[in-house]
Amino acid sequence: EAGVVQSPRYKIIEKKQPVAFWCNPISGHNTLYWYRQNLGQGPELLIRYENEEAVDDSQLPKDRFSAERLKGVDSTLKIQPAELGDSAVYLCASSLGSQETQYFGPGTRLLVL
Amino acid sequence: SQKIEQNSEALNIQEGKTATLTCNYTNYSPAYLQWYRQDPGRGPVFLLLIRENEKEKRKERLKVTFDTTLKQSLFHITASQPADSATYLCALPTDSWGKFQFGAGTQVVVTP
Repeated sequence: EAGVVQSPRYKIIEKKQPVAFWCNPISGHNTLYWYRQNLGQGPELLIRYENEEAVDDSQLPKDRFSAERLKGVDSTLKIQPAELGDSAVYLCASSLGSQETQYFGPGTRLLVL
Repeated sequence: SQKIEQNSEALNIQEGKTATLTCNYTNYSPAYLQWYRQDPGRGPVFLLLIRENEKEKRKERLKVTFDTTLKQSLFHITASQPADSATYLCALPTDSWGKFQFGAGTQVVVTP
């Protein structure tokens, strides 16, 4: 069975440019998470979806970040415009339901210059 | 505020020895606690879950304890191998609806 797929794996952009990350969760997983992980830190939740509904986006910086999960499957996380402090690894995870084991993708490493 | 603390210094250990990692938390009353492994350039991988009514959980060479009085979990890797070298993260649910907070992780380096 395929795991969580993320693309791109790496992205280098200049500040103020837009960037988008894509996630394909494990088939049948209703819950999808986006995390941000800074160097030497644990993942920090940005947004959580139950099917197509964003049930927790309290830590998503809504002035520049947006996310969508159309049809309750794939998801896209966008940053516009990017800032230097956005450099981090963006991880997508999925689970059968909330409070179930999370399966993480390999992440997208973003570098903002 | 809720806080999770893991050893920030890397744990260097000789092959065959037991590695012990700690996860301390404050201002939580978690019903369970999870441990994950993360290799460089990869996402975390779930290892073990221990519930508040379980004092100890084992999986192969891994052992986890959970002391809700001390607000601490210990993670043991017995008979450690170089392949066990990775960063180990603990994670606690912060609500009843699937929100988790992760510790910063402890890097383990097992030398032959």
